[in-house]
Amino acid sequence: DAGITQSPRHKVTETGTPVTLRCHQTENHRYMYWYRQDPGHGLRLIHYSYGVKDTDKGEVSDGYSVSRSKTEDFLLTLESATSSQTSVYFCAISTGTANTGELFFGEGSRLTVL
Amino acid sequence: GENVEQHPSTLSVQEGDSAVIKCTYSDSASNYFPWYKQELGKGPQLIIDIRSNVGEKKDQRIAVTLNKTAKHFSLHITETQPEDSAVYFCAASSLSGGYNKLIFGAGTRLAVHP
Repeated sequence: DAGITQSPRHKVTETGTPVTLRCHQTENHRYMYWYRQDPGHGLRLIHYSYGVKDTDKGEVSDGYSVSRSKTEDFLLTLESATSSQTSVYFCAISTGTANTGELFFGEGSRLTVL
Repeated sequence: GENVEQHPSTLSVQEGDSAVIKCTYSDSASNYFPWYKQELGKGPQLIIDIRSNVGEKKDQRIAVTLNKTAKHFSLHITETQPEDSAVYFCAASSLSGGYNKLIFGAGTRLAVHP
């Protein structure tokens, strides 16, 4: 258990509403990531963070923003949710350098946009 | 950028048989290749990884082989058991913008029948 908590675990929302997913870690790891998982696409990186206030885009960042004001929290925001953002979102941390070490994933947040 | 293709998408075997999952990658600079196992309702978990300076790595019933010339790597599970049933993802690291980012395959759903 890498001490990762995602919230909420399930959310149903309507198109056009803002949504924020939270990832909380208890072990002060530097690197944190947000992935989305969709059938036929595996896991795709949305954004990642390499420190407080330091973030960068991943493969599928359009429509998403992130913030990291504290080491332990990494927030993913959908400013105006669309149906194409219906997905399962996973937060992860890495204990090594950026993506050359093991990733520890949270339990996932299932988001449905109607 | 890096592209990872994974085959097959589904695999069904009898308990005790072997299972092989294959992945190819496109970026010859990729140097880290992990495999993750995802059980139903959970986040992916690392089961084995290999780096580009090694051709094969084994951990009990699981082995991974890497062919850098052909740009493919494979997961081998011997003496399969029902608890091996899960979705398996391969990944390759890709250096972009100064940071390594993991690119995942689409996944293989393995079913082991008693």
